[in-house]
Amino acid sequence: NAGVTQTPKFRVLKTGQSMTLLCAQDMNHEYMYWYRQDPGMGLRLIHYSVGEGTTAKGEVPDGYNVSRLKKQNFLLGLESAAPSQTSVYFCASSYGGHREYTGELFFGEGSRLTVL
Amino acid sequence: AQSVAQPEDQVNVAEGNPLTVKCTYSVSGNPYLFWYVQYPNRGLQFLLKYITGDNLVKGSYGFEAEFNKSQTSFHLKKPSALVSDSALYFCAVRVGRGNQGGKLIFGQGTELSVKP
Repeated sequence: NAGVTQTPKFRVLKTGQSMTLLCAQDMNHEYMYWYRQDPGMGLRLIHYSVGEGTTAKGEVPDGYNVSRLKKQNFLLGLESAAPSQTSVYFCASSYGGHREYTGELFFGEGSRLTVL
Repeated sequence: AQSVAQPEDQVNVAEGNPLTVKCTYSVSGNPYLFWYVQYPNRGLQFLLKYITGDNLVKGSYGFEAEFNKSQTSFHLKKPSALVSDSALYFCAVRVGRGNQGGKLIFGQGTELSVKP
């Protein structure tokens, strides 16, 4: 049981280049999230999804796009990378879709992105 | 605004001594509170949560947390620290309804260092 898998784990981009981070979960979770982690700032939510075919903006969505075409996958795209997007990106998933949902997240191992 | 604060960037403890990592929150309504731990170059792992009921919550690896509504705090504690507890700890609060995404807002993290 792999849990939450992120690819790639490391990537170096030049300013203006585009790329996509892939997140896959095998737990049949409804909810999926993309966070970025920066020193001294904790984790900030970029985008999230409450089910297949849905996406919504989080705290810091600018410069990113997402898609959830399949329930198990959540893609994060950078159309024109900027140095300010240098960060560690974490995907997470959780049970959801009901009022009793408590919010426990399952995280991937992270993807370290450097934009030069 | 809904938020979580961890007032200490770093906590240093000697092995065998008790440890406390502090967290305060600001959220409307009843809070759903969480603690996560992150080991170097890894994703976050769930430690424990408070939803309702007993103010003292027990979690993984011997950790516990005390919910204090009057002080809006949710401090993480362990009676006897281990060197292997050294890691980055995050407090989080759920915002939004459970069936509408149930997003977590994270504090900035506290680096716990346990010395032999």
